[in-house]
Formats: sequence, structure tokens, C-alpha cells
Amino acid sequence: NAGVTQTPKFRILKIGQSMTLQCTQDMNHNYMYWYRQDPGMGLKLIYYSVGAGITDKGEVPNGYNVSRSTTEDFPLRLELAAPSQTSVYFCASSYAQSLGGETQYFGPGTRLLVL
Amino acid sequence: DAKTTQPNSMESNEEEPVHLPCNHSTISGTDYIHWYRQLPSQGPEYVIHGLTSNVNNRMASLAIAEDRKSSTLILHRATLRDAAVYYCILAGGTSYGKLTFGQGTILTVHP
Repeated sequence: NAGVTQTPKFRILKIGQSMTLQCTQDMNHNYMYWYRQDPGMGLKLIYYSVGAGITDKGEVPNGYNVSRSTTEDFPLRLELAAPSQTSVYFCASSYAQSLGGETQYFGPGTRLLVL
Repeated sequence: DAKTTQPNSMESNEEEPVHLPCNHSTISGTDYIHWYRQLPSQGPEYVIHGLTSNVNNRMASLAIAEDRKSSTLILHRATLRDAAVYYCILAGGTSYGKLTFGQGTILTVHP
């Protein structure tokens, strides 16, 4: 199993540009998540999905959009990049089991710089 | 979400045990206690989790206080590879597995 994979590893965007961060998992997990991590801080939840076709906002959703058309893929879209979106983005997945007892598996991250 | 409190940093020597504390005085009856760690320039990695009883796995042990208001992550023999940020996180029954990360504890391991 590759686990959770993310592309690209690193990207530089100009203000106002758009991009999609890709996330794929091969563990047949129904839950998927997007987090961002600013320097020296903990991760903050952007969006999450409990299954194909179902998504919901996390703590910091503004400026982002997601879709979940398959179990495996959960892309994150930035429409109008702003310097405040400079961060490291982590995708994660988990399998629904005992409520609250799910273990999350994280991808290696995408480092985004908006200039 | 119930909040956790951890020391900002701790230090240890290689091959010695490390006890990382976490306070969670407002924990609810359905909250699981999770520990994740994040090595430099990597994504977080699951370490261990528990509900009421102490737990052991190949990476660590989790000791949960009887009143569940605190817990301790125990690394039995620290190695240089254990140097990381350790996060103590509560996740409850309706959270869909969502995790709320705090600042965590920066663990430094000296050779």
C-alpha cells in the first residue's frame, strides 16, 4: 500500500492564481481530511469528508473548496491564492470504527508559497 | 472540543525513558485520548490512543489517570529518531475522527 499520497510536493503561486492540491489514498478509508500547518503551529482542519459525495467545513475553510467524487481521491482547490495561504498542507484519511477511536494516516504534505 | 494542555518542550537522553504529560480536565465520557507525533518536515504519525485503560503498543505506552483528567505517553527507551513534536488530542463520538491539534510538546533527545 502506498498509503496517502499528495502532489505536488512544493509549489510557488502568484497572488490570484488558482491550483488544485491532489490527495489519494489506497486504504479504502471512508473519512478524509485536509489540514494546513503554519510555521511553528499545530495543524488546523480545512475540510473533511465522511464518504464520496459528502464534504463539510472544518475550522478554516475560507478560500478553499473540495470535492469527493470517489472513495480514493479528495482534491483541495484554491481559487484565488493569497499570501495568507502560504502554508504546508496535509491530507489524511481514516476508517470509521469506534466513534472517536479512528486512527488517521497522513500524507507527506504539500508546501505552498504564495508571492 | 475539550482542550488539552501539554508542556511546550521536554528534553531526554538517548536510551532513557521519557514521560510526556497531558492534562485534559474537561474530557467527556466518550472522548478518546490520542497521541500523534510529527518528525521534522514530515506529516503527523499516529502513536497510540486509549479510552479508559492503559494501552501498550510497539511504539509506546499510554497511562490514563483513573479520573481520566490526565494521561502520560511513555517512550520506554528514547532514541534520536524520537525527537519530534508530540500532540495529545481528544476525539469524541460525534467528531467523525476529526482531530484538533494544539501546540504540542517539542521533545529533544540528546545523544
